[in-house]
This record gives sequence, C-alpha cells and structure tokens, in this order.
Amino acid sequence: AQSVTQLGSHVSVSEGALVLLRCNYSSSVPPYLFWYVQYPNQGLQLLLKYTTGATLVKGINGFEAEFKKSETSFHLTKPSAHMSDAAEYFCAVSYQAGTALIFGKGTTLSVSS
Amino acid sequence: DSGVTQTPKHLITATGQRVTLRCSPRSGDLSVYWYQQSLDQGLQFLIQYYNGEERAKGNILERFSAQQFPDLHSELNLSSLELGDSALYFCASSDKATLAGVPNEQFFGPGTRLTVL
Repeated sequence: AQSVTQLGSHVSVSEGALVLLRCNYSSSVPPYLFWYVQYPNQGLQLLLKYTTGATLVKGINGFEAEFKKSETSFHLTKPSAHMSDAAEYFCAVSYQAGTALIFGKGTTLSVSS
Repeated sequence: DSGVTQTPKHLITATGQRVTLRCSPRSGDLSVYWYQQSLDQGLQFLIQYYNGEERAKGNILERFSAQQFPDLHSELNLSSLELGDSALYFCASSDKATLAGVPNEQFFGPGTRLTVL
C-alpha cells in the first residue's frame, strides 16, 4: 500500500536557523504531493503543493519544497525559522485528482529563541 | 478561514451513544472528505462524497456512516461509540480537478473534537 514517511516526529530549531522537515513516499508512480500545517486547536492549512512542472515549489510563509523523483522525497525547508512557525506539519500524497489524501504521521516543529 | 465550517466544535458523550457531526463545504465545492485524527493512528481518511454520492471509502468502521445532502452539506454519524472513537474529526472540501486532471487543494474545517467517556 502507498505510504508517506516523515522522518522525525519532533524537530527543534533555534529562531533564525534552517528548518528541514523530511518526507518520503513509497510508490513507483510519482504522486501529487502536499505539505499542510496545523496550528494548535486549528484545522489544516495548505503550505504548498507539487502537481506538475517545476520541481522546486514555493509556498506560503517562506516555505519551499523540492520534489526529487529519484529519492522519492519531498522535503520541506525554510531558510530562517520564526517563532510563529511552531506547529505540526503534515506531508500528504494523492495519486489521482479527486481522491483522498494519504498523510504522514506528522512532525512537530519547535522553535526556541 | 478556509470557508469550511464544522459543528459542533466539541462533543462529549458516553460509550454506546450515537452522535452526528456536521460539515458545510466551501461554496461551490462538490467533494467532501471526512478524516479522523487520533494520537495513535494519525490522520486517516474515512469517506468521500461527491455531489451527493459516495465516492470512496477509507478506514471507516461499520458503526460509522455519512451522507451528503442536496445543499452539499454533509453529516458523519457515529454510533455505538467506544472509548477508542475519541478523536478529532475533520471535514475537507475541494472543487473538481482542473481540466488537466490536476487535483485541487482540499480545504479543511476546524474539526470536531469528540470525547467518549
């Protein structure tokens, strides 16, 4: 079955440091790829998505992700962390338009001053 | 604000009871998805409706059912509740895919937190 693996259930960084959240998918067919963020007591908000075209995708709040087919990865990065980035981040995939998302287990990002 | 509304925000009930969770999708979105978020299982897809018809089923228990009404709002019914059903239940909606077949974003509601005592 297709699955999504997020390495590291918890990542801690200092304010201003690089943020790197890892996501790998298991499929020989490249899926559509998404990163969502969940702030405490809120729903999920889309950060960015890869569907077709350029493999480096820019999202909201300064985040970006690069689709690497050879590595079956879609890691999320941000050059400089801000305290407001503290949240839970979910990588998700779908294999066909109009179908449900398959989510990773999530990574909690903590940012310290 | 995603435009997706869910009621109630919190629900506390007892084992064996039945509850109904309600979702109103974004205006114009025909697809509604229900997801369950729990500490042990993470975010799991339950069921999808498209324009009133069931489109796909995920890890939904037989004790759970859903429907989508003509005005496109959806309800998730959970019956014979067990302690393990305590979770956050999300509804998401999306528009149909683009002409190129590329999926559109799913917009998530704020969720309903169900506590079964």
